[in-house]
Amino acid sequence: AQKITQTQPGMFVQEKEAVTLDCTYDTSDPSYGLFWYKQPSSGEMIFLIYQGSYDQQNATEGRYSLNFQKARKSANLVISASQLGDSAMYFCAMREAGGYNKLIFGAGTRLAVHP
Amino acid sequence: DSGVTQTPKHLITATGQRVTLRCSPRSGDLSVYWYQQSLDQGLQFLIQYYNGEERAKGNILERFSAQQFPDLHSELNLSSLELGDSALYFCASSVAPNRGVAKNIQYFGAGTRLSVL
Repeated sequence: AQKITQTQPGMFVQEKEAVTLDCTYDTSDPSYGLFWYKQPSSGEMIFLIYQGSYDQQNATEGRYSLNFQKARKSANLVISASQLGDSAMYFCAMREAGGYNKLIFGAGTRLAVHP
Repeated sequence: DSGVTQTPKHLITATGQRVTLRCSPRSGDLSVYWYQQSLDQGLQFLIQYYNGEERAKGNILERFSAQQFPDLHSELNLSSLELGDSALYFCASSVAPNRGVAKNIQYFGAGTRLSVL
């Protein structure tokens, strides 16, 4: 069964430093997608970055990059040059290509950026 | 702004009541998804509609129902409300999802926060 695990309930980082948020997953489908979303205190869910299981390169979107290690089934989010506005909950999610279109979410990691 | 509009933003009601949550997808998106976010269950998929038809069902209670209208907006109806139904309900939309294609980015609305008292 597909599963997403985020083992860090909370993380903190100093402003301008880089931080890595961990995500491991489990699936038997060889084709799948991994997604990261950000949820600020205001509540909305904001899409950040996508990584496909067959993508050769690690995904990058501005200050966000994904450290994708397929053999270890991990898809860690790296945020470089942290800003105060990065303080939020971060969710890792997965969609299996062979299944339905639902996203399976992890429990989330709360990131606090300190000045 | 994701382009997905959810109304109302907040809803306070009593146990046993019925409420309707509304969602307008992004322009051009045919698929709508509903998710529930609660403290104890986290983010859970409820149901998906594609171009007016139910496509997939998740952990949706029988007291809950949804539909997607010809103009593609969707409504989630919650009835016989219980205290445990208090949660943040999200609608998301995407382009036509294809089975066999993993990349299908779902864009979320701001959510409707339901409080059942």
